[in-house]
Amino acid sequence: GIQVEQSPPDLILQEGANSTLRCNFSDSVNNLQWFHQNPWGQLINLFYIPSGTKQNGRLSATTVATERYSLLYISSSQTTDSGVYFCAVTRGSQGNLIFGKGTKLSVKP
Amino acid sequence: DVKVTQSSRYLVKRTGEKVFLECVQDMDHENMFWYRQDPGLGLRLIYFSYDVKMKEKGDIPEGYSVSREKKERFSLILESASTNQTSMYLCASSPPGTGLLGKLLFGSGTQLSVL
Repeated sequence: GIQVEQSPPDLILQEGANSTLRCNFSDSVNNLQWFHQNPWGQLINLFYIPSGTKQNGRLSATTVATERYSLLYISSSQTTDSGVYFCAVTRGSQGNLIFGKGTKLSVKP
Repeated sequence: DVKVTQSSRYLVKRTGEKVFLECVQDMDHENMFWYRQDPGLGLRLIYFSYDVKMKEKGDIPEGYSVSREKKERFSLILESASTNQTSMYLCASSPPGTGLLGKLLFGSGTQLSVL
């Protein structure tokens, strides 16, 4: 099956800093999503981005499907950005979404 | 605001009990999913459903069953709860016509402890 690797596993930032989270996947995919899980456990869908670039406020994501990776950019980080960021992928129409193990982000005031 | 609502945030049950976890969505989504999340193992798919009365096994269906009698409601059933089913359970739904390719929207989760 597809392997999904996220890096770094942990990241500590000072408020206002920028960061880049990476998701590598081992095979071609037709679905890639980024999620943020806040400290209370709620998973929020940030992006549905099988290819290309999208932006939503201070967050943006780029997926280069041919090179099998996706990047999540967080600019001017805030303490509310803390939590775990997951990348999830699938291929074909019947495959399950496979989740990476996540990047745990802590933003310090 | 669209929502996926799980009936309980925290639940404590005894070994051997039958446990029902309820999930309701108000977006008229056809597709609904149950995941469990465990430290070090990430999110794993238990069951999913594309339509009323329809269900498909995910990666770890053993020890679980599901029910989808109405479009908006998807129930996860633990027939005889065991301690290894202590976990965070997450329900999700996605828009019609997209199956497992759709943008997933999650409920807030149920932390189940089986003693």
